[in-house]
Amino acid sequence: KNQVEQSPQSLIILEGKNCTLQCNYTVSPFSNLRWYKQDTGRGPVSLTIMTFSENTKSNGRYTATLDADTKQSSLHITASQLSDSASYICVVSDRGSTLGRLYFGRGTQLTVWP
Amino acid sequence: EADIYQTPRYLVIGTGKKITLECSQTMGHDKMYWYQQDPGMELHLIHYSYGVNSTEKGDLSSESTVSRIRTEHFPLTLESARPSHTSQYLCASSEPNRGLITDTQYFGPGTRLTVL
Repeated sequence: KNQVEQSPQSLIILEGKNCTLQCNYTVSPFSNLRWYKQDTGRGPVSLTIMTFSENTKSNGRYTATLDADTKQSSLHITASQLSDSASYICVVSDRGSTLGRLYFGRGTQLTVWP
Repeated sequence: EADIYQTPRYLVIGTGKKITLECSQTMGHDKMYWYQQDPGMELHLIHYSYGVNSTEKGDLSSESTVSRIRTEHFPLTLESARPSHTSQYLCASSEPNRGLITDTQYFGPGTRLTVL
């Protein structure tokens, strides 16, 4: 069964600290993996996208890694800011259909305290 | 920020009422989607469209219906709202495939629906 599991479910850190969010998936055949940021009451916004041939991708203070062999990804946030408080969703796409089926994780709820 | 809009942002309505959630995008995308999301849970695809006059049901069974008469507009309708329909509804659209990269989806801000 194609699944995307994220950990931790929630995380609280102090402003300025770093943190790493995890994503494990069983989706096959694999096409690409995206990390989205979803602010409360808003729609998700894409942060990074990686195909199976890429093992790291950065977007400002966000760095995503991908290990296609172990089917694991991580999102590292450097020097956290209050505005980083949001849900971070891992989304994996397969190559099994024209639609490019998306499998969503439940997200990690990150709270950054001052 | 993506040019995709949803109205209303919040809706509280009584059981049995007919409602339509609006979604429009100005990016000229052919593909559009409706997702349902409960707090702390993953997004579930309930409807999608490849273009005008094309609509398909998603993975999660839903009593809602959709229409696609214009490229930019993809409304979702519930004929008779029930408390079980209480949820957040997210609309998205996507640009065409680029090689191995499947469509990048751009999401609207969502409609928070509460049925009493």
